[in-house]
Amino acid sequence: EPEVTQTPSHQVTQMGQEVILRCVPISNHLYFYWYRQILGQKVEFLVSFYNNEISEKSEIFDDQFSVERPDGSNFTLKIRSTKLEDSAMYFCASSEVPSGADTQYFGPGTRLTVL
Amino acid sequence: LAKTTQPISMDSYEGQEVNITCSHNNIATNDYITWYQQFPSQGPRFIIQGYKTKVTNEVASLFIPADRKSSTLSLPRVSLSDTAVYYCLVGDGGNTPLVFGKGTRLSVIA
Repeated sequence: EPEVTQTPSHQVTQMGQEVILRCVPISNHLYFYWYRQILGQKVEFLVSFYNNEISEKSEIFDDQFSVERPDGSNFTLKIRSTKLEDSAMYFCASSEVPSGADTQYFGPGTRLTVL
Repeated sequence: LAKTTQPISMDSYEGQEVNITCSHNNIATNDYITWYQQFPSQGPRFIIQGYKTKVTNEVASLFIPADRKSSTLSLPRVSLSDTAVYYCLVGDGGNTPLVFGKGTRLSVIA
């Protein structure tokens, strides 16, 4: 079964540093998403992306965040200057069609720890 | 988006059937009901989706009464590996992001 992959599985960084989280969505999918989950809390939507542009973003997704699809396979989330409160699991998801709930496939996540 | 309410936690012994009920009083005509499962340190995984009556797949069954104001996820004969958080989501399947609540933490005991 095809799956979404994410790298790295765990990233440790110093406050103020830039991080890039990488995702490889399922190959025939066209819609891409980032979610995050702070330890012990809900899964929260960050951003959706289609046709090389952001479709929707949440209040969490401020100017410190950006997304990019640099080539035909990768989808990245960049945090320009990390803060302690950015520590969380970050999940990438993809879907073949617009986010009908049954069609979003999630990756295993990247655990980001900001020191 | 319709608000959902589900129990915070449930315990069950192995081999039992588990039913998790979700309330969604403000569900709209176009909304579907979808359940996701999340194991520790993993991403959510789609389990089942329905609109009305009953849906069954190899993992679970979903029961939706006629008024659609609630739904029940039924897991037959749970095992220890079913220990996870289960989320009920309601949405129209259009181009809107998934909104997760706190979910129900199911603990299966040997």
